Amino acid sequence: AQKITQTQPGMFVQEKEAVTLDCTYDTSDPSYGLFWYKQPSSGEMIFLIYQGSYDQQNATEGRYSLNFQKARKSANLVISASQLGDSAMYFCAMRETGGGNKLTFGTGTQLKVEL
Amino acid sequence: EPEVTQTPSHQVTQMGQEVILRCVPISNHLYFYWYRQILGQKVEFLVSFYNNEISEKSEIFDDQFSVERPDGSNFTLKIRSTKLEDSAMYFCASSARRAVPTTYNSPLHFGNGTRLTVT
Repeated sequence: AQKITQTQPGMFVQEKEAVTLDCTYDTSDPSYGLFWYKQPSSGEMIFLIYQGSYDQQNATEGRYSLNFQKARKSANLVISASQLGDSAMYFCAMRETGGGNKLTFGTGTQLKVEL
Repeated sequence: EPEVTQTPSHQVTQMGQEVILRCVPISNHLYFYWYRQILGQKVEFLVSFYNNEISEKSEIFDDQFSVERPDGSNFTLKIRSTKLEDSAMYFCASSARRAVPTTYNSPLHFGNGTRLTVT
């Protein structure tokens, strides 16, 4: 079974609009962390935001927020006020306590911001 | 802001040749990783390294692969005899400490990658 599922291979959003990128995960660990990374066309991997499994509040970092629904095992990324520079591939990833120190990545969502 | 640096940015090699991909992790980080991304596919874990030894490796990381931290700053991935299917982007990453997901935000910081092309 996939540990991280991103069901949207591609998304379009208009500039200045908000967009939600979906991520669901599968783990039996009670303790885990969820991460989102951005990969522009230049190829680098940029850390965006983190949510711990015991965090009571949804994480926010500037225009990025994480809609964490633990019972549904979802950790959707919300980008507010989209900008052209947000066009990129977005990866959801998970670290499990019992999974060593590594991150397991989803297949990614390609976001295109349009004028 | 400190960053992970990788060299070269692009490496072309012939099948059967050995390649060494180089990385300089962030200086106060303790955990080091290699990941790869075949074009258009997801990012796959290869190996993690801590305290001068491999702490975990994936099925991909077979006997053809090895890692080394030859000095206090470099972290290398060697592929002994490259195959066509080794063509991918290889990312080095580092993190500050072992993550305890409940209390620590310890993301992996990635380098810009080395694009390996095996012909």
